[in-house]
Amino acid sequence: SQTIHQWPATLVQPVGSPLSLECTVEGTSNPNLYWYRQAAGRGLQLLFYSVGIGQISSEVPQNLSASRPQDRQFILSSKKLLLSDSGFYLCAWSKRRNAEAFFGQGTRLTVV
Amino acid sequence: AQKVTQAQTEISVVEKEDVTLDCVYETRDTTYYLFWYKQPPSGELVFLIRRNSFDEQNEISGRYSWNFQKSTSSFNFTITASQVVDSAVYFCALNSGGGADGLTFGKGTHLIIQP
Repeated sequence: SQTIHQWPATLVQPVGSPLSLECTVEGTSNPNLYWYRQAAGRGLQLLFYSVGIGQISSEVPQNLSASRPQDRQFILSSKKLLLSDSGFYLCAWSKRRNAEAFFGQGTRLTVV
Repeated sequence: AQKVTQAQTEISVVEKEDVTLDCVYETRDTTYYLFWYKQPPSGELVFLIRRNSFDEQNEISGRYSWNFQKSTSSFNFTITASQVVDSAVYFCALNSGGGADGLTFGKGTHLIIQP
């Protein structure tokens, strides 16, 4: 069966510090991968998606970036965090376009 | 542009009551896909259902049922005989056939089931 791992579960970072969140999927190959952010009291917003190694599409311009160095690994990064980057970050995967997505347990990021 | 509206921010009912969560969507695409997810307090999103725009049949899964009506652009979710374990935030989402991949979510409905 397929599983998705996301870490860390919680993170407190000072403003201006770098960020690296990692997500890996097991039990499938060539998944579509996604990063979403959920701000307090709001729905989920798609940040990035990837259909293959090295292929990243950005949906929201910001100081975050994403990379896919391996087929089942998806990384969310920032060089300098802002207070507005605080939120709940969720990684997800799907078998193909328009299929249901399965989510990781999320990372709660607080920028102080 | 596509949009999902969940007008009910929070609903509170007593256990065993039936409850319906509303979802209205907007898209210009003729091919699209609708989803419902459950987010318990732990935060992880749990997939509940996926429907495509060509299949308007209502679906029932145990105490859960979904009513898809293209004429009103709605995809409502009903829980019959609610239980305390149903307490969660429920999200409706849309993915159009063309354009960018990924889900457009509504803001969610916080469902509280009181014992």
